[in-house]
Amino acid sequence: DVVMTQSPLSLPVTLGQPASISCRSSQSLLYNDGNTYLNWFQQRPGQSPRRLIYKVSNRDSGVPDRFSGSGSGTDFTLKISRVEAEDVGVYYCMQGTQWPLTFGGGTKVEIK
Amino acid sequence: VQLVESGGGLVQPGGSLRLSCAASGFTFSTYWMTWVRQAPGKGLEWVANINQDGSDKYYVDSVKGRFTISRDNAENSLYLQMNSLKAEDTAVYYCATYLPGEIDSWGQGTLVTVSS
Repeated sequence: DVVMTQSPLSLPVTLGQPASISCRSSQSLLYNDGNTYLNWFQQRPGQSPRRLIYKVSNRDSGVPDRFSGSGSGTDFTLKISRVEAEDVGVYYCMQGTQWPLTFGGGTKVEIK
Repeated sequence: VQLVESGGGLVQPGGSLRLSCAASGFTFSTYWMTWVRQAPGKGLEWVANINQDGSDKYYVDSVKGRFTISRDNAENSLYLQMNSLKAEDTAVYYCATYLPGEIDSWGQGTLVTVSS
């Protein structure tokens, strides 16, 4: 199975400041169709997960442009350019390149 | 896209439960579907996937032989039959749409508690 490792576990951030979450996979996520199936999800307190980013860097409709994804191979990053209060929650990466689908353990973003 | 799960509840270890997911707002029969679960206070765990006509299914190892994913395209519904339930199956179960390599829209979830 592909193991997804996120860091940090917890990320206290000052409002208006940037935040960065790392996600590393135990194997390359490059699929033989040329796509890299790395997704990012946000889960606000008490809510269902919501996808933010798919295929490493494609932002979903309605997702603010302060969110961006980057990376390749086994090393990926989610960045929030300026954290807002509504960004509090847990963020998960997920790989869809190999079965079984696997998630990272999550990064909790909170306001300092 | 709207996905509404139901069927959760309290069940004894070794018991069975059938979860349902009612889909609307999209052409259900053209989408792969997935179940993902989240134990209380824990992270997300993919459980199972099913293709458009139900002929192709995938499961996480921990539920193989105990859970069965199925669908009824005429009823726009997804199901998860859960047998031989264990305490470690206690979780909120979400249904979601699936595109190759990507989980897309999620339901609100239904809580399954396995306890005596």
